[in-house]
Amino acid sequence: DGGITQSPKYLFRKEGQNVTLSCEQNLNHDAMYWYRQDPGQGLRLIYYSQIVNDFQKGDIAEGYSVSREKKESFPLTVTSAQKNPTAFYLCASSILPGTGASGANVLTFGAGSRLTVL
Amino acid sequence: EDKVVQSPLSLVVHEGDTVTLNCSYEVTNFRSLLWYKQEKKAPTFLFMLTSSGIEKKSGRLSSILDKKELFSILNITATQTGDSAVYLCAVDNYGQNFVFGPGTRLSVLP
Repeated sequence: DGGITQSPKYLFRKEGQNVTLSCEQNLNHDAMYWYRQDPGQGLRLIYYSQIVNDFQKGDIAEGYSVSREKKESFPLTVTSAQKNPTAFYLCASSILPGTGASGANVLTFGAGSRLTVL
Repeated sequence: EDKVVQSPLSLVVHEGDTVTLNCSYEVTNFRSLLWYKQEKKAPTFLFMLTSSGIEKKSGRLSSILDKKELFSILNITATQTGDSAVYLCAVDNYGQNFVFGPGTRLSVLP
């Protein structure tokens, strides 16, 4: 079945450590995204990528880094510079914006990774 | 700044009740509005709305968009405990991503 796989589901980190969250998709989607979700808030975009070896910052990119070496994979590193990293992280993918029927496209999400900093 | 607002933020009902969830938006450009249901993990897609006045329906769920008044509603009739979830509204603003609202947390009691 096609979908998005995120790992790990739960992760604990000590302050000062970097941690990398994995996101793999087999939907043949060009675009991939990382969102952060905090209680009572909407999803906020961290980074997105529309093509291999290229990515753009979203609204809250500070303290995060990404890479896109393969179309299927878009890992997110939460660095020690991120001041408040405890959150639920969602990876998503889609066809390229504007290329769907009537130009509209739909995000497909992974199951999420919950990061807790101790 | 583009913005999506949802109301209420949380709602508690009993099985069999009908609920209406609201989503209003202010965006520079509008391409589509999407509704997602999020239980404990991945949001799952419910509806995509692009045209005003055309109701989308799936079982007990339905949704409609008003592009003049800049809002959408999601209706759930004869609610069941399995409808308990956070319902997310998002707008595609012709940007490179979507603008999400804070979500409405619906709890359906038996």
